[in-house]
Amino acid sequence: EPEVTQTPSHQVTQMGQEVILRCVPISNHLYFYWYRQILGQKVEFLVSFYNNEISEKSEIFDDQFSVERPDGSNFTLKIRSTKLEDSAMYFCASRTGQGLSYEQYFGPGTRLTVT
Amino acid sequence: GENVEQHPSTLSVQEGDSAVIKCTYSDSASNYFPWYKQELGKRPQLIIDIRSNVGEKKDQRIAVTLNKTAKHFSLHITETQPEDSAVYFCAASRFSGGYNKLIFGAGTRLAVHP
Repeated sequence: EPEVTQTPSHQVTQMGQEVILRCVPISNHLYFYWYRQILGQKVEFLVSFYNNEISEKSEIFDDQFSVERPDGSNFTLKIRSTKLEDSAMYFCASRTGQGLSYEQYFGPGTRLTVT
Repeated sequence: GENVEQHPSTLSVQEGDSAVIKCTYSDSASNYFPWYKQELGKRPQLIIDIRSNVGEKKDQRIAVTLNKTAKHFSLHITETQPEDSAVYFCAASRFSGGYNKLIFGAGTRLAVHP
């Protein structure tokens, strides 16, 4: 069964640095999402992406964050000038957008540690 | 704003017992309610979902009920097995025009003891 993949599984970076988290959604999916989960807290929506543009974003998703679909397979989340509070597990998800399914398929996550 | 409350945060049951996890949502326009299971170190995986035009849905040992008036929905697991041990997340979504961000509850850690 096709799965969403994410790389790296763990990223350690210093405060103020830029990181790019990478995701490969399921190949025929049309809707893409990023969520994050700070340790011990709930999973929070960051942004959704469709037809090469952001369709919705949360208050968390400020100018520090950006998303891109640079080619037909990758979906990236860039975090500029990382802060300690950006440390979290970041999940990518995708959804087909076809048929009757509403299901979002999650990747395994990237654990980001900002030191 | 949009919020989903989930209870309990931890649940411990004996193998074979039933487990019930409850969620309450704030956005009355929510119309899609998935439940995800996350085993340690693994990705969240959908186990069952329900839409607002249905009051109950069942899949083998798992069932979900929805009370739109009270804005409550619940997950019921019967005949629990040790492999049901995991963290369970409820979520609510306003599915509109193809867009559907998920608003998650805080999760319930279920432990099933042999």
